[in-house]
Amino acid sequence: GQQLNQSPQSMFIQEGEDVSMNCTSSSIFNTWLWYKQDPGEGPVLLIALYKAGELTSNGRLTAQFGITRKDSFLNISASIPSDVGIYFCAGIPSRSQGNLIFGKGTKLSVKP
Amino acid sequence: DTGVSQNPRHKITKRGQNVTFRCDPISEHNRLYWYRQTLGQGPEFLTYFQNEAQLEKSRLLSDRFSAERPKGSFSTLEIQRTEQGDSAMYLCASSSVRQGPYEQYFGPGTRLTVT
Repeated sequence: GQQLNQSPQSMFIQEGEDVSMNCTSSSIFNTWLWYKQDPGEGPVLLIALYKAGELTSNGRLTAQFGITRKDSFLNISASIPSDVGIYFCAGIPSRSQGNLIFGKGTKLSVKP
Repeated sequence: DTGVSQNPRHKITKRGQNVTFRCDPISEHNRLYWYRQTLGQGPEFLTYFQNEAQLEKSRLLSDRFSAERPKGSFSTLEIQRTEQGDSAMYLCASSSVRQGPYEQYFGPGTRLTVT
């Protein structure tokens, strides 16, 4: 089945640093979504991307839909302790009716 | 504005028992999805409904699993003859075809432990 490769698996950073993570696929995706999940809770939608090359911001978060439609990037600027959690990329393959394919997540730890 | 709700939040059951979970989507969201998440993994798609019609099922959804959305509002997911491998977080999500069909909003999940 289709898989998304998400990297890095985990990050340990100092408060105030910027963070970058990415997601790649071997096949084309029509939509990319980024979620954050806290322990014991469901994923929370951060950003949705619909067009190749699209760059979208949500506060300190910026995400981009890769031009090849096979990748996406998420950047977090000036990290704060509440950014701690697991970040998931998710995509909708070109022939799907809407079910999401998720990456394995990037676990972010922020040291105050 | 109420989000997606799921009940129960936690369920412990013995192997071989049947369990049923409920999901109430965001009101007026006509699409409803079920996912399963195991430790250290991202959620995996199980099935989805548009209104009351079940439009897609994953091969992960074995014969022991059945989902319904009888009136196009809430949905139930039943697992019969549970196995230890069914232990996971079961997540429900909903979206609106009109407002953004691919923006799925998740509930808090039901954590199932099969002993």
